[in-house]
Amino acid sequence: SQKIEQNSEALNIQEGKTATLTCNYTNYSPAYLQWYRQDPGRGPVFLLLIRENEKEKRKERLKVTFDTTLKQSLFHITASQPADSATYLCALTSSGSARQLTFGSGTQLTVLP
Amino acid sequence: DAGVIQSPRHEVTEMGQEVTLRCKPISGHDYLFWYRQTMMRGLELLIYFNNNVPIDDSGMPEDRFSAKMPNASFSTLKIQPSEPRDSAVYFCASSFPTGSGANVLTFGAGSRLTVL
Repeated sequence: SQKIEQNSEALNIQEGKTATLTCNYTNYSPAYLQWYRQDPGRGPVFLLLIRENEKEKRKERLKVTFDTTLKQSLFHITASQPADSATYLCALTSSGSARQLTFGSGTQLTVLP
Repeated sequence: DAGVIQSPRHEVTEMGQEVTLRCKPISGHDYLFWYRQTMMRGLELLIYFNNNVPIDDSGMPEDRFSAKMPNASFSTLKIQPSEPRDSAVYFCASSFPTGSGANVLTFGAGSRLTVL
């Protein structure tokens, strides 16, 4: 069956360090992979999108990698700040259903001052 | 733009009652999605529309759930009759395809439903 797994339900890191979150998937042929941020009591907010033929994408302090051989995406936040504390969700769009977005369960990140 | 607007933000009702959740998507977005979020199951896609037409409702859990989109600026998700296991946060999201064809979603703030 299809599965999206985000390891570490919770991740605590020290301010200034790089946070690395993982998204693994099975039985998908993703056309796109996206990362969203969700704060308590709010809806998810889009951060980055990476296509199947792209290896890496950057936006300010954020970096996403996409390895279709390993079936994995890594999401990095460099120089992390307490304001980066949130739940981060990865989401896949399969090549067969280009409009549907299926979400992982999320990783709760806490950046300690 | 005010973003995706959902109402009500909170709803507490008793088992067996009808619940109607409402959504106003961002003007110009031609896709609308309804998701449900719980601790146990995460974010689940219930149904999505394109140009007001339902495209895939395979995520709708039971016949008790129905969704409509009578026009481009309004959608409803109805639960009748409601049950305690329907308690969750229901999100509406809208999008238009990017140049690459992918949908980037803009979510509303959600409607937290509690069925007693």
